[in-house]
Parts: sequence; structure tokens; C-alpha cells
Amino acid sequence: AQKVTQAQTEISVVEKEDVTLDCVYETRDTTYYLFWYKQPPSGELVFLIRRNSFDEQNEISGRYSWNFQKSTSSFNFTITASQVVDSAVYFCALSDLVSGYSTLTFGKGTMLLVSP
Amino acid sequence: DAGVIQSPRHEVTEMGQEVTLRCKPISGHDYLFWYRQTMMRGLELLIYFNNNVPIDDSGMPEDRFSAKMPNASFSTLKIQPSEPRDSAVYFCASSSRGSGNTEAFFGQGTRLTVV
Repeated sequence: AQKVTQAQTEISVVEKEDVTLDCVYETRDTTYYLFWYKQPPSGELVFLIRRNSFDEQNEISGRYSWNFQKSTSSFNFTITASQVVDSAVYFCALSDLVSGYSTLTFGKGTMLLVSP
Repeated sequence: DAGVIQSPRHEVTEMGQEVTLRCKPISGHDYLFWYRQTMMRGLELLIYFNNNVPIDDSGMPEDRFSAKMPNASFSTLKIQPSEPRDSAVYFCASSSRGSGNTEAFFGQGTRLTVV
């Protein structure tokens, strides 16, 4: 069965520090999709990135970067020079053949607290 | 686009009452999902629809829960009768497969409190 593990329950950093959020997944499929979502204190879920299993290139978007390593089944998320506005709960999610590539299996989330 | 719209944003009801949550997906999206978020279980899928047809309702916890999608622009999740353990944030999301898998866009959620 598919599973997503975010071992870090809560991380606290000071503004301008770099921080990496870990995500490890389990799936029997060779084709699957990985996602990161952000849930700020206001409560909505905001899509950040999607990665398919055939694309192992790392991606950078501004201060955000993602490291996908198929060999270790990990899809880690790094925020460079963190800001207070980055404070949120971040969820890693998986979509695979079992779900028809439609539904998401979420990790438990990592709460990031960035203090001034 | 207005995004996925859910109503109400907050609902407080007494145990035993019927509760109806509403969702308007993004226009043109052919998939609609209902997720529930609790501290204990995190985010879990309840049911999803494709082209208004329920595809998988295995996540619906009990017969007290039911969901409908009468047309492409509206869905409801009903709990009858409600119980305190149903207290959670309920999210509706929509997506479009199009030429390939795409991400799901979530509404702002309905925070349900059953007292």
C-alpha cells in the first residue's frame, strides 16, 4: 500500500535560516506523482509542486527547491533564507496507480515555525 | 477563476442534527474530492467523483455520511445524524486530468464542530 512519511513533526528556525523538510514515500508502482502542499495558519491548502516519477531533476522556484531521489524514495523540500511568512504546515503527498493517479495519500505534515 | 468554493466556512451543530456541506468545483474540472482533516488521522480521502459519478467511497466512515454530485458545478457532503467525533475540517478539491495528471486544487475548508 502507498504511504507517505514526514518524520519531522515540527521545525523551528530563525528568519533567514535554510530549512529542509523531509518526505519519504512507499509505493509499488513505477509510475507515480509526488506533491507538496502548504497549509498556512488561515487553513487553506495551497499547491506548491508536482513531480512525476520519471523526472528526477531537481527543481528550484525562487527560495524553494525540491530534491527528488528515487533511489531513497525521498522528495525533500528546502526553503532558503526562510521568512516569517513561510510559517505553515507543509504536506507531502503521493498519487499512484492504486488511486488511478487521481487521489492523494498525504503525510502527517511538518509544522514550520519561522521566528523573526 | 474563483477557485473551489466551499460553504459554510464554519458550522457548529448539536449532536444528532443533520449537517450539509457544499462545494462548487473549478469550472471545467472533471474530478471532485472530499477530504477530512483531523489531528489524529491527518488528511484522509472520503470520496471522489469523476464526471459527477462516485468512483470510490471506501473512505466514507459510516452510513451516516453521504455525498452527491447532481451536476458538474455542485456537490454536497451530508452527515446525518452528526456526532461529536465528526468534528473536523472538511475539504473539497477538484482537478482535471486533461492530457495528464494534474494537481488538485482545494477549497478553504469547512470547520465542523459537533457539540
